[in-house]
Order: sequence, then C-alpha cells, then structure tokens
Amino acid sequence: DQQVKQNSPSLSVQEGRISILNCDYTNSMFDYFLWYKKYPAEGPTFLISISSIKDKNEDGRFTVFLNKSAKHLSLHIVPSQPGDSAVYFCAARGGNTGKLIFGQGTTLQVKP
Amino acid sequence: DSGVTQTPKHLITATGQRVTLRCSPRSGDLSVYWYQQSLDQGLQFLIQYYNGEERAKGNILERFSAQQFPDLHSELNLSSLELGDSALYFCASSVGGGGQFQETQYFGPGTRLLVL
Repeated sequence: DQQVKQNSPSLSVQEGRISILNCDYTNSMFDYFLWYKKYPAEGPTFLISISSIKDKNEDGRFTVFLNKSAKHLSLHIVPSQPGDSAVYFCAARGGNTGKLIFGQGTTLQVKP
Repeated sequence: DSGVTQTPKHLITATGQRVTLRCSPRSGDLSVYWYQQSLDQGLQFLIQYYNGEERAKGNILERFSAQQFPDLHSELNLSSLELGDSALYFCASSVGGGGQFQETQYFGPGTRLLVL
C-alpha cells in the first residue's frame, strides 16, 4: 500500500519555464510534507516543506502548494534552470516520530 | 554538504556475509534514521533512534539491526545477506525526535551495497 505517490516518473521542461511536480497521498494523518532533490551518487537534499495547517509555502524560485481536501501537493519551480535537473521526491510525516514516507520520485530534466 | 557522514561509500560482499554501515549525525542532532533505496524504488524507512533509544521501526528485516551509541553515531548491521539486499542505504539526522513541525531530516551521501 503506497501512501505517497508521484505518478509522473519523468518531466521535461524548457529553461525559464515553470516546472510543476505533483504528489498524492492517502493518509489523512500526515501533518508535514517535504520535497527533496537528489542528484546521482548523492544523498537527498532538503528543498522545501509545508505543514498541514498551511496551503502554500514559498522559498525563492520554489513554491509548494497543499490541497488537503484532495490530498495533493505540488512543487512549482519558476523559472526552471538546467541545474534543477535531478530526481525530486516528496515525503510525508505523521505522528510523533520522524518516519518519512517517500514517493517514488520524478526525474526532472530542464533543457537549455 | 549536509553534515551527515556515512562510511563506507561502497561495499561489495557475498551472499551469507555480514556487514556494518556507519553513520555520524550532524553536530547537535539527536535522531538518526536509516532508509533503504533499492533499484527503481523510493526510499523506504527502516528505523529511527533518538538519543540512544529506538523511536520508530519500519519494514526492517529481522536479519537487520541497528544501534545508536552514546556519542550519537549509529551503525546498521546487515547479516545473512541476500542478493536482494543490494541497495543504497541512507542515514539521516534531525535535531529532535522527529515529531515537531518544521523539523527537517538531513541526509548523508549513502552507502552503496552490492551483494554478489
């Protein structure tokens, strides 16, 4: 039972355009959501997060939107840059431990 | 650089063997987490230790065990290794027990295990 799903394995966008990465979850007890970026041969790097009491969080070119009724979150990258090319994982947490449930990841390619 | 260190970077071993993976958390972090990433899979939570005590457990096999030492470094022991145990093993750390809002986990570079 996959509680966090990223249904698009890959996404290709042009440099300067918007990248939108999507994530769906099934467990309504999740209260904190995170996005990580991962380059080959490296560990995941924290990008941005949002708590369940908010519907939007912005940090520079990155914005995460949370739609609790739809159990859906998305990461917007504007403008996209070639250096953003990586695998993006969304993760969710619930309860009083730090256990993170990860999606399968979406590979983003930003073309110059 | 996240501040989380993992050794070794690569490990090649044979089926039936036992290996130990080591993780040092960021300075000041009390929690250590272990995750497994198999081929084409997302990261799967294995286990969390907080200040030396087991805090949460995921789908960790009985052949696997972990501990956190007084200096807060952690070791993941994998025994009776099988071909399917080949994967990337990541360690992460966070400052508290993990349940607080805005508490982020920072990941190490991982250990790539290959079982032949």
